[in-house]
Amino acid sequence: GESVGLHLPTLSVQEGDNSIINCAYSNSASDYFIWYKQESGKGPQFIIDIRSNMDKRQGQRVTVLLNKTVKHLSLQIAATQPGDSAVYFCAETYLRYGKLTFGQGTILTVHP
Amino acid sequence: DAGVIQSPRHEVTEMGQEVTLRCKPISGHDYLFWYRQTMMRGLELLIYFNNNVPIDDSGMPEDRFSAKMPNASFSTLKIQPSEPRDSAVYFCASSLQENIQYFGAGTRLSVL
Repeated sequence: GESVGLHLPTLSVQEGDNSIINCAYSNSASDYFIWYKQESGKGPQFIIDIRSNMDKRQGQRVTVLLNKTVKHLSLQIAATQPGDSAVYFCAETYLRYGKLTFGQGTILTVHP
Repeated sequence: DAGVIQSPRHEVTEMGQEVTLRCKPISGHDYLFWYRQTMMRGLELLIYFNNNVPIDDSGMPEDRFSAKMPNASFSTLKIQPSEPRDSAVYFCASSLQENIQYFGAGTRLSVL
């Protein structure tokens, strides 16, 4: 029979553009969120995290925004580079629980 | 610093055979997680340990799957007998307390 896989959202950008990847999380009790990047053939790699008492956190070229009202998380990547091409996952949990719930992922493709 | 180390990187076996996947967490980490990633279901948590004790194994698909953590520096995930539907990439991750999980490179399992 025909297999049906996850249809991941995709985002294609030009090198140098800013990218915004969105994530809707499921549990209103979640108080800790993480973004991971997964390149082909590798494990997920930590990018940035944020706790629910914040609505914005910045790293190097990346910013995470949290909107608890609508349970929405976004990852902004400034001056996107070809090396940023990967699948990006958001993950949620509540602290002292230890168990992350991952979103389905978004494929980011950066064209030179 | 050595990250999470998984072995083997690739495993090809025949249906009915026993498969053992291995993981060495980051030294000092007290949480260890086993995940499975497939196109159909994305990234799923199978089981996790805290201080070598299994805390939640609700993600383990069935009795054919078992996991052990005999000491703080080693864990195994065993499938016996293996079936073609077990084909996936299996990741191990570790964390210090309930913080960022760091992933290994994964084991790609193919069951023929």
